[in-house]
Amino acid sequence: QKEVEQNSGPLSVPEGAIASLNCTYSDRVSQSFFWYRQYSGKSPELIMSIYSNGDKEDGRFTAQLNKASQYVSLLIRDSQPSDSATYLCAVKSEGNTGKLIFGQGTTLQVKP
Amino acid sequence: DAEITQSPRHKITETGRQVTLACHQTWNHNNMFWYRQDLGHGLRLIHYSYGVQDTNKGEVSDGYSVSRSNTEDLPLTLESAASSQTSVYFCASSALAGGYGQFFGPGTRLTVL
Repeated sequence: QKEVEQNSGPLSVPEGAIASLNCTYSDRVSQSFFWYRQYSGKSPELIMSIYSNGDKEDGRFTAQLNKASQYVSLLIRDSQPSDSATYLCAVKSEGNTGKLIFGQGTTLQVKP
Repeated sequence: DAEITQSPRHKITETGRQVTLACHQTWNHNNMFWYRQDLGHGLRLIHYSYGVQDTNKGEVSDGYSVSRSNTEDLPLTLESAASSQTSVYFCASSALAGGYGQFFGPGTRLTVL
């Protein structure tokens, strides 16, 4: 059973701080990794993708991937109350054409 | 702009009735997916399709069916609605290789009384 694990939280950080969200996965041949943001009552929104080891930055967001440790993380710099949401980690494994395995999500609360 | 839409956005039905939820995408994506999301369970895959006439069962497919007659649409049918199928349903689509992630519709909130 291929799995994606996330701490459900809630993770609470003060406004302006760095929020660090973590995800581990079980399938060693996984090749594509995604972070989704889901506001309460809304659908998941793709915010980051990462495919190779290292860091990928997009504005205040940085995705980090370590395939040897089977670990992917999302850093949110200068956290804002509007970043308060559930963040879903998703992994695409080699050999299928589109299925993603989702983690259960981490709820982030950014306090003013 | 390309998009993915779902209808209805809210639906209340009775136990035993057949219900069809619509999903329409204009991305021209080959892959389409149906999920349900419940508190404590995250996103669970119901059915998916990799192209016209192709359908596959996901992890929670019992009581649901889909058909794919064109690229744009993947309707989800609950053959005989049960209270356990009260949930929020999301449709998603992705390009052929799936390497760029899935894009989600706005969701349908279904209540079965």
